[in-house]
Parts: sequence; C-alpha cells; structure tokens
Amino acid sequence: SQQGEEDPQALSIQEGENATMNCSYKTSINNLQWYRQNSGRGLVHLILIRSNEREKHSGRLRVTLDTSKKSSSLLITASRAADTASYFCATHSGAGSYQLTFGKGTKLSVIP
Amino acid sequence: NAGVTQTPKFQVLKTGQSMTLQCAQDMNHEYMSWYRQDPGMGLRLIHYSVGAGITDQGEVPNGYNVSRSTTEDFPLRLLSAAPSQTSVYFCASSPFGTGNSPNTGELFFGEGSRLTVL
Repeated sequence: SQQGEEDPQALSIQEGENATMNCSYKTSINNLQWYRQNSGRGLVHLILIRSNEREKHSGRLRVTLDTSKKSSSLLITASRAADTASYFCATHSGAGSYQLTFGKGTKLSVIP
Repeated sequence: NAGVTQTPKFQVLKTGQSMTLQCAQDMNHEYMSWYRQDPGMGLRLIHYSVGAGITDQGEVPNGYNVSRSTTEDFPLRLLSAAPSQTSVYFCASSPFGTGNSPNTGELFFGEGSRLTVL
C-alpha cells in the first residue's frame, strides 16, 4: 500500500516562481527521499532527509520534515522550464527494512 | 559507468506468453529491486534482493518471478502474461544491502521497460 501521498496531484506555475509540494506518510520512518521523473524516463534521486533532521538544502531545493505531523515538503525556488517533471516522495521505514515505498507523485508544469 | 541498464525498452506480448525483463548494473550495488508504475498508482514494489542468492517479495509479487545469481543481474520473469501486467517496469539498485546500514537507501533507476499485454 502507498505510504506517502503527495499534494497537490498537479501544479502549474510560471517560470521564476517557487513550487512547493507536500508529502504525508502514515508510519514512522528512517528517512524520506524525493525523486524527479521526466516524462518517459526513469526516476532520479534529488535529496534524502533522515528522521532526525528537520531541514535540508541542495541547490534550489529545500526539503523539510516534520515527524510529529508525518509530513514533508519540497520547495523548488526560482523554477525553470526544465523543472517540469513529476516529483515523488519515498519513505524508508527503518533498520532491517529494505523497502522504499513511493507516493503517487506531483506533476509540476513550469510555463516559460 | 552505464549505471542501471534495462532491456527491452518496449515489448508487446499476448496473454499467456512468458518473457524476461533484463536488468544489469555495473556499480557493484548489493540491493536491486523491480517496481511497476501504473497511471494514478505511483510505483509499487514487485520483488527485491539484498544480495546475490537472496530475494524477497514486495507489495505486488503475484505473477512475477526473480532470481539473483550474480551481483550485477536481476531479471524479472513474467510466467504467464495477463493484461493486468501492462505497465512500465523499473529496475533500481542501491549500494545498501545486508552488509551495510540501510540508512542511505538512495535508489538508482533504469530507464524503464514498457510492456503491453494484449
């Protein structure tokens, strides 16, 4: 069953604007990851945040994690047309578990 | 490095036929897995392996078989194809496995194999 649920399902913004996507999950986690998928391609890992971390940055990406609310957000600043893709959160539930469970994704469209 | 290589990229089968989707990685990763991606369903784990000789079931294993005889290869077999198996299949690998902490968990994906079962 799906562990993470992304919100919104689809998002359309103008180039230069910021894009925020949210992920909620149900059970305790070891880490949470965000992936990007361009149309017709495989997924690419963007960033990983561990359960004891609250915020992480990578270039124009900012990820937050609130374990008390079982939620995470991905912020893409100063978006570009090349950021157009689907974004997925994935959770790793803990030591001894070798499964990464994906949500259904947010489809982001950045209009030039 | 080629990373994770999947073949074929496209395949059309008739109901009842069998076939094998190939997956190979050249990164010496212990962990390998197969996912299927369906519209509106996200990615669902079919089978995974934490090292050569070790495989386990994921969320949707029925109708699929796997083996892991080498570190590099992790083929997925469809035993008797059904229209419900029409999907895009992704193979993914990770450096973590039985000998390492699962704290990393970053997956490296192949480009996918699009399967249609008529």
